[in-house]
Parts: sequence; C-alpha cells; structure tokens
Amino acid sequence: DTAVSQTPKYLVTQMGNDKSIKCEQNLGHDTMYWYKQDSKKFLKIMFSYNNKELIINETVPNRFSPKSPDKAHLNLHINSLELGDSAVYFCASSPKLRELTDTQYFGPGTRLTVL
Amino acid sequence: GQNIDQPTEMTATEGAIVQINCTYQTSGFNGLFWYQQHAGEAPTFLSYNVLDGLEEKGRFSSFLSRSKGYSYLLLKELQMKDSASYLCAVMDSNYQLIWGAGTKLIIKP
Repeated sequence: DTAVSQTPKYLVTQMGNDKSIKCEQNLGHDTMYWYKQDSKKFLKIMFSYNNKELIINETVPNRFSPKSPDKAHLNLHINSLELGDSAVYFCASSPKLRELTDTQYFGPGTRLTVL
Repeated sequence: GQNIDQPTEMTATEGAIVQINCTYQTSGFNGLFWYQQHAGEAPTFLSYNVLDGLEEKGRFSSFLSRSKGYSYLLLKELQMKDSASYLCAVMDSNYQLIWGAGTKLIIKP
C-alpha cells in the first residue's frame, strides 16, 4: 500500500506551459508539504498545508499554487513554466503541524523537465 | 541566516564504520532529523534527536550537542545498500524543517 503517492513520476514540457502535479496520502495525516529538490540536492520547502492553513515560503514565485480538494490531497499547479523550474518535486505528509518528533513521509517525487 | 553544513561526499569500506557530521545555525531549535535518500528515490526517516546525547537504532546511531550546534550520524557494519545520500535537517522555531544538501556516501567492497 502506497502511503504518499504522486503523479506523474516524470513530466517533460515546454516553457510557458501550465502543468499540475497530484499528491495523495492515505495515512490520515493532517499536514502536507511540497518540496523542490534542485540539481544541487537541496530540499527546499515550498508550501505546508494543514486544515486549510497554508504556509508559503516567501521565496516561491506566485506562479506556483497549491490546491487541496480535501485533507488527503495536495496538488501543485504551476503556471508559465520556466527553465529554472526543472527539478524533482516531492510531496510529503506528517501527522500534525508544528509538533516535535513530526516525521515526514515523502512521496516518490516528480521529475519535471522544462525545455 | 539559517545554515546546515555537512560534507558533500564520503567514501567507506563495506563492513567498516563511518561518521557523517552536521553543523547547524538556525533561528530556534526543535529537533534534528536524519533522512536517507537513495538515488532517484524519496528521503526516508532515520532518526530524531532533540536532547543532547546518543540515540541508537540498530546499526545506525545519531548524536546531538545543542550547545555546539552539532550532530553526527554513525553507521556501523556498513553494507553496500547503505550507499545513499544522508540528509541532516533541523526543525526551527517555526517548526519548519531546514535541510542540508546531504552527504553522498559511497561504499566500496
């Protein structure tokens, strides 16, 4: 049983396009996250979302927007894709927001390539 | 600013012991995590330290010194499957995880 799943696993697209990445968790967790891992392997938090509370990393361009239809899903929509958006995007979830020992469970990642 | 430092790459021999260090400077501290990430895969949780001292879990141990802003991950009886990147992450005062760039560990026979 997959705990945190993402689709698609690979996404290749042209500059200027709009795309979405889907994420679902079946762990019953309250909090979900989106991370970007660039070629230097830094994991950068983009968003955390908990019970309709959205915390945004202020460095994230507003072309990126999270959309949560329900507690188990947090999709990432990207407008006007740029070359620099090429990276691996990880979805993650954790039981609660702002709790110590809160382990995050990661999805398999989506490798986005913008041409 | 917030900063997590760890070596970029380390090499060790199968069956040996290796220590991966992590130093941090963050705004507040609510614990330090170690994650393992195999190439092309997602990070998976290894350990969590919030108090000073050593936490042992099988072949892996993690140590924390809050006063020194320092942690290490100790891997014993290395196996080839331990070849991976090891990510140090600190939870800051806003309960956000600040991640290091990871240490790529190469195990040789």
